[in-house]
Amino acid sequence: EIVLTQSPGTLSLSPGERATLSCRASQTVSSSSLAWYQQKPGQAPRLLIYGASSRATGIPDRFSGSGSGTDFTLTISRLEPEDFAVYYCQQYGSSPRTFGQGTKVEIK
Amino acid sequence: EVQLLESGGGLVQPGGSLRLSCAASGFTFSSYVITWVRQAPGKGLEWVSAISAGGDSTYYADSVKGRFTISRDNSENTLYLQMNRLRAEDTAVYYCAKCSGNYISWFDPWGQGTQVTVSS
Repeated sequence: EIVLTQSPGTLSLSPGERATLSCRASQTVSSSSLAWYQQKPGQAPRLLIYGASSRATGIPDRFSGSGSGTDFTLTISRLEPEDFAVYYCQQYGSSPRTFGQGTKVEIK
Repeated sequence: EVQLLESGGGLVQPGGSLRLSCAASGFTFSSYVITWVRQAPGKGLEWVSAISAGGDSTYYADSVKGRFTISRDNSENTLYLQMNRLRAEDTAVYYCAKCSGNYISWFDPWGQGTQVTVSS
C-alpha cells in the first residue's frame, strides 16, 4: 500500500499569499496518478487536480499541481477567502487507492 | 448536471447491518466505475470500495473485506453498499463518487454523504 504523507499539517497564511502544499509517497506513483481535493467544513470533497497537474473543470487557474515519482505539490498562487479549507492528495496508480492525511490552510 | 445522492445512513448497534444507496443522475451511469469513500469524525478520507461499470468486478479495502458488499443496478442508476457485522470504527460519513471512466481513478463528483453511526 502506498502511504501518502502531506506537509505541513497546518498552514497559516493571509489572503493574497502563496500556499505550497506537499504530498510525498512511500513508493513511486505510477503515471503521475495523483489527485488533489479541497474540503470545506460540512461539505463533500471537491476535485481540484488530477494527473498531478491537470485542473478539473471549473477550477480557477490560481490552483496548480506539479511533481512526479514520489513528490507532488499543490500551489495556490494567491489565496482567496474561499480557499481556506483542508486539502487532500490521493493516488490512483496502485491498489488500494489511498489518501494523504490532509493539510489545513487556515487564515493567519 | 452530474449528481449523486446518498441515503440509508443511521444509527446501528455493533454487529448490525445497514444498506446505503447512491442515486445517480446527469450521466450514463452504466459506463462508469463508482466508488465509496468514508470519513470518520474529525479524520481524513478512506477509500472503501468500488465496482466496475457493468458490476462484474468489485474491489474492497482490507478494513471492510468480507463484511461489506458493493453492488449496482444500472437499470435504476443506483449504487449500493451492504454493510454487515458493523463495528464502532465503521462510524463515518459515507460518500459515493464517480470515477473518470472504466478504472478506479480520481473521484469527481462526490455526493453529499450519509452518516453512519455504530454505537450501542
